[in-house]
Amino acid sequence: NAGVMQNPRHLVRRRGQEARLRCSPMKGHSHVYWYRQLPEEGLKFMVYLQKENIIDESGMPKERFSAEFPKEGPSILRIQQVVRGDSAAYFCASSPLGDRANTEAFFGQGTRLTVV
Amino acid sequence: DAKTTQPPSMDCAEGRAANLPCNHSTISGNEYVYWYRQIHSQGPQYIIHGLKNNETNEMASLIITEDRKSSTLILPHATLRDTAVYYCIVSDYNNNDMRFGAGTRLTVKP
Repeated sequence: NAGVMQNPRHLVRRRGQEARLRCSPMKGHSHVYWYRQLPEEGLKFMVYLQKENIIDESGMPKERFSAEFPKEGPSILRIQQVVRGDSAAYFCASSPLGDRANTEAFFGQGTRLTVV
Repeated sequence: DAKTTQPPSMDCAEGRAANLPCNHSTISGNEYVYWYRQIHSQGPQYIIHGLKNNETNEMASLIITEDRKSSTLILPHATLRDTAVYYCIVSDYNNNDMRFGAGTRLTVKP
């Protein structure tokens, strides 16, 4: 059973371009979380999604950022018109359906976005 | 905002037990206590979780006080590879609240 897969592992974008980060959850997992980690800082919650639904996006910046988790395919975190301050590591985690409070989440290895 | 408070850093001698405290005084009855760690810049790794009772697995032990307002993660024989940032999280039934605080940076020294 493959773990949470994130790609690309490293992404370089020029200011003003779009960044698309993908997260394939573990098989059988239908809950996905996205986090951002700035250098030397902790993980900041961004958004929590279930298949085709955004459950909690209270950590998402109001502009330029969006996330989806379609019925088929990976979850996508999309950043439009990137700025230098978007440079960070973006981590995705997944957990299975069911008694979610009693189940750990599994993290991917992250995508490191660099805006030049 | 995270519902937990942890010391920013701790040191531990290699081979000794590392005891990492966490305060969660506002925890509610249906919230679990989770521990994760992040080694360097890798993705966080699950360690252990519990509700009321103490828990033990191959990595660590989790001691939760009777009033559930605090807990301690114990690494029984710390190694240099246990050097990491350790995060204590409380998560509600819907697991909507996977919010990380600043964590404790544990340094295991030879």
